Amino acid sequence: AQKITQTQPGMFVQEKEAVTLDCTYDTSDPSYGLFWYKQPSSGEMIFLIYQGSYDQQNATEGRYSLNFQKARKSANLVISASQLGDSAMYFCAMREGRYSSASKIIFGSGTRLSIRP
Amino acid sequence: GAGVSQTPSNKVTEKGKYVELRCDPISGHTALYWYRQSLGQGPEFLIYFQGTGAADDSGLPNDRFFAVRPEGSVSTLKIQRTERGDSAVYLCASSLPGQGGGEQFFGPGTRLTVL
Repeated sequence: AQKITQTQPGMFVQEKEAVTLDCTYDTSDPSYGLFWYKQPSSGEMIFLIYQGSYDQQNATEGRYSLNFQKARKSANLVISASQLGDSAMYFCAMREGRYSSASKIIFGSGTRLSIRP
Repeated sequence: GAGVSQTPSNKVTEKGKYVELRCDPISGHTALYWYRQSLGQGPEFLIYFQGTGAADDSGLPNDRFFAVRPEGSVSTLKIQRTERGDSAVYLCASSLPGQGGGEQFFGPGTRLTVL
């Protein structure tokens, strides 16, 4: 069965520093997708970044990058030059199956990131 | 363009009552998902539709929960004989499989409180 583990319940980071949020996953399906979502206090789930299991390069989206280490089943999110607006809950998630298929997403328990001015 | 919308934003009901939660997905998105998020936890999958049919309803906790998507667009999640444990935020998401990574786009949620 698929599983997502986020071992950092909370983190505090100084503004403008880089931060890494940890995520490990478990699946027996060779085709899968990994996602990171941000959930501010307003409650909306905001899609940040996606990594496919067959992608050769790490995904990047602006200040977000995904450190994908397939052999270790690790998909850490790196946020460069953190900003006060980055304070939120961050969820790592996984979908089994190819991207062309709709499928449920399994979420981790989340990491609450707080940026200090 | 318009995102996923959900109504109502808040719903307070009494134990034993019936409730309906509505989701309007992004136009053109064929897949629609329902999740439930309890306080301090990640969203838990309930059910998803591909078009009009429920492709996977393995997350529905029991037969008090039911969802429909009769025309392949708007979906309604129905909860019968509500219990206090049903209190949570119910999130709806939609996606277009094959577009990007198949990422799902979420609505603002409906906060259900069962007294």
